[in-house]
Amino acid sequence: NAGVTQTPKFRVLKTGQSMTLLCAQDMNHEYMYWYRQDPGMGLRLIHYSVGEGTTAKGEVPDGYNVSRLKKQNFLLGLESAAPSQTSVYFCASSYGGQANYGYTFGSGTRLTVV
Amino acid sequence: GQNIDQPTEMTATEGAIVQINCTYQTSGFNGLFWYQQHAGEAPTFLSYNVLDGLEEKGRFSSFLSRSKGYSYLLLKELQMKDSASYLCAVRDGTNAGKSTFGDGTTLTVKP
Repeated sequence: NAGVTQTPKFRVLKTGQSMTLLCAQDMNHEYMYWYRQDPGMGLRLIHYSVGEGTTAKGEVPDGYNVSRLKKQNFLLGLESAAPSQTSVYFCASSYGGQANYGYTFGSGTRLTVV
Repeated sequence: GQNIDQPTEMTATEGAIVQINCTYQTSGFNGLFWYQQHAGEAPTFLSYNVLDGLEEKGRFSSFLSRSKGYSYLLLKELQMKDSASYLCAVRDGTNAGKSTFGDGTTLTVKP
């Protein structure tokens, strides 16, 4: 099994451009999450989904949108990129909210906004 | 909300034992996780505690005291490959399974 796959792995955007980050999991997990990680800081939750067709805001949702049209995919969109969105983005999934084995993470997308 | 504190950096010697502490203040609690993250890579799950006490898994052990809002990760027989960042994460009390992460402790293992 591939686990959690994120595309692209690297991207450079100009301020104001838009892009979509794709997260795909093949573990039949219900719950999916988008986090960002900045140097010296912990992972911060952007948006999450507890099932197909559902999304909710996390701690730092401004400037991002998400969609979960299919159970296996969770998309993160940046409509108008800003330099403050330069970060490493991690997607994570979990079988359920009570699971005792933690998240499975994708390998990350390193985004630079210039 | 959640507030999680852990030391920024630690250094230890190969073959030794190191304890990484984590304290938390939360409005809800449904488990504490430890993850390992090597530089440039994704975090990987190490351990989970939801009840008070010690959970042992090979060279790694994790302890939880809910009344004190305290956990530690104990690494025994340190190896060079254990040099990494260790993240403490607390899952909230909702059904969404959301976790709040500490800033991580960077452990350097020296020969």
